[in-house]
Amino acid sequence: DAKTTQPPSMDCAEGRAANLPCNHSTISGNEYVYWYRQIHSQGPQYIIHGLKNNETNEMASLIITEDRKSSTLILPHATLRDTAVYYCIVRVGSGTYKYIFGTGTRLKVLA
Amino acid sequence: DGGITQSPKYLFRKEGQNVTLSCEQNLNHDAMYWYRQDPGQGLRLIYYSQIVNDFQKGDIAEGYSVSREKKESFPLTVTSAQKNPTAFYLCASSTPRGRNYNEQFFGPGTRLTVL
Repeated sequence: DAKTTQPPSMDCAEGRAANLPCNHSTISGNEYVYWYRQIHSQGPQYIIHGLKNNETNEMASLIITEDRKSSTLILPHATLRDTAVYYCIVRVGSGTYKYIFGTGTRLKVLA
Repeated sequence: DGGITQSPKYLFRKEGQNVTLSCEQNLNHDAMYWYRQDPGQGLRLIYYSQIVNDFQKGDIAEGYSVSREKKESFPLTVTSAQKNPTAFYLCASSTPRGRNYNEQFFGPGTRLTVL
């Protein structure tokens, strides 16, 4: 049922940009892409969302391809505290509030 | 401070006993959700509720029950019919700002261990 595909793990050097990819080839035209992260044994934390245009907030940037079939979350200057599992999510169907969380990408920021 | 609270953080129960996990939110959100997470796995949806007195089954509802009598509260009961209840349980809430926009806010979770 998962509608997104992410690499299982990635490493990033502290201070460098972390680029986390996500494929969502079955996304429909009016579905948003959401990114959350989960630090060990805590509830997931919302990071950013987008529809068509690139988005930026104080935590990250989201780049969505023109065909909307993939996106990349960018943490511009990764710190050790960014070590977490990152989930890329789209909603299942229209008119519902049901989301599918896959297994995400385990990002490890290295000192 | 507005937020979602789950209690307790750790819960131990004997096999065969029903147990109810609490979830309360003061964000005035319409929708609430329960997820289960097993070690090294992603979140799986158990039940969700879009409005008071209404709820729908998620992907793994068997062995669980919920109620939504108040907007602020969405308790989850893990029954003895649930074969492998030991897991990390997460509650979330959201308010739809439009048909396709639905940011979810999560509680801190309850870790249930059945002995």
